[in-house]
Amino acid sequence: DGGITQSPKYLFRKEGQNVTLSCEQNLNHDAMYWYRQDPGQGLRLIYYSQIVNDFQKGDIAEGYSVSREKKESFPLTVTSAQKNPTAFYLCASSPWTGTAFGSYNSPLHFGNGTRLTVT
Amino acid sequence: ILNVEQSPQSLHVQEGDSTNFTCSFPSSNFYALHWYRWETAKSPEALFVMTLNGDEKKKGRISATLNTKEGYSYLYIKGSQPEDSATYLCAVSSNTGKLIFGQGTTLQVKP
Repeated sequence: DGGITQSPKYLFRKEGQNVTLSCEQNLNHDAMYWYRQDPGQGLRLIYYSQIVNDFQKGDIAEGYSVSREKKESFPLTVTSAQKNPTAFYLCASSPWTGTAFGSYNSPLHFGNGTRLTVT
Repeated sequence: ILNVEQSPQSLHVQEGDSTNFTCSFPSSNFYALHWYRWETAKSPEALFVMTLNGDEKKKGRISATLNTKEGYSYLYIKGSQPEDSATYLCAVSSNTGKLIFGQGTTLQVKP
C-alpha cells in the first residue's frame, strides 16, 4: 500500500544536539511538506519542496534545514539554533498539479508524525 | 499571514446528535479550502477540498459548504457516531499558495 512513513515515532535529544527526522513516501508525489504542531495552535509550515533538489522556506523555517535528493525522501534536521524544538512534527505529500504550489487543490497525505522532546 | 479560525475549539455530543462547526477565513485572495479529520494515534485524513463559492460536498454522513464571499465554511455531521470522534482541521490556501491551518475542532461523541 502506498503511504508516508515517518520515523522514529518518538525522539529524545539533549539541548544543543542536531537531530534528523525521516520522511519517506511511495505515492509518487512531487510535493512534500513539513509541519509542526504545538498545543493550541494550528499546523505551521516549516519547509516544502515541489521537486527534487528544490525546496522553500515555510512560515517558521528558522532553526531547521531540509534536503530533497530523492523524490521519495524529505528529511528534516532540527538544529541547535531552533529555540523551542520540542513539538510534534508531521510530514505530508501531494501531487503537484502544475500550479505554483501543489497543495492549492490537491489534498495532503500525512504521515503519522514524530514527537520530538529536547531536554 | 492569513488567519484561519475554527469554532468551537471542542464539542461534546451524544450519539445520534447532528452537529456542525465553522471555519472562518479572509475572503480576499482565496484559492481553496481543505477539511481533514484527525483521529487519535492516526494521521490526518483529507475529507474535502473546495474551491468555488457555493460548493457543497458530501461523504457519507459528513458534508461541507463553502461561502468564499463572506469567508466561511461549515462542516456538518449527521447522526454522530462514536467513530466520528476526532479533531477536524480546516486549511485555506490563498494567493501565496501555502496551506494555512486553523487550530482544529475536537469532537467527542458519547455512546
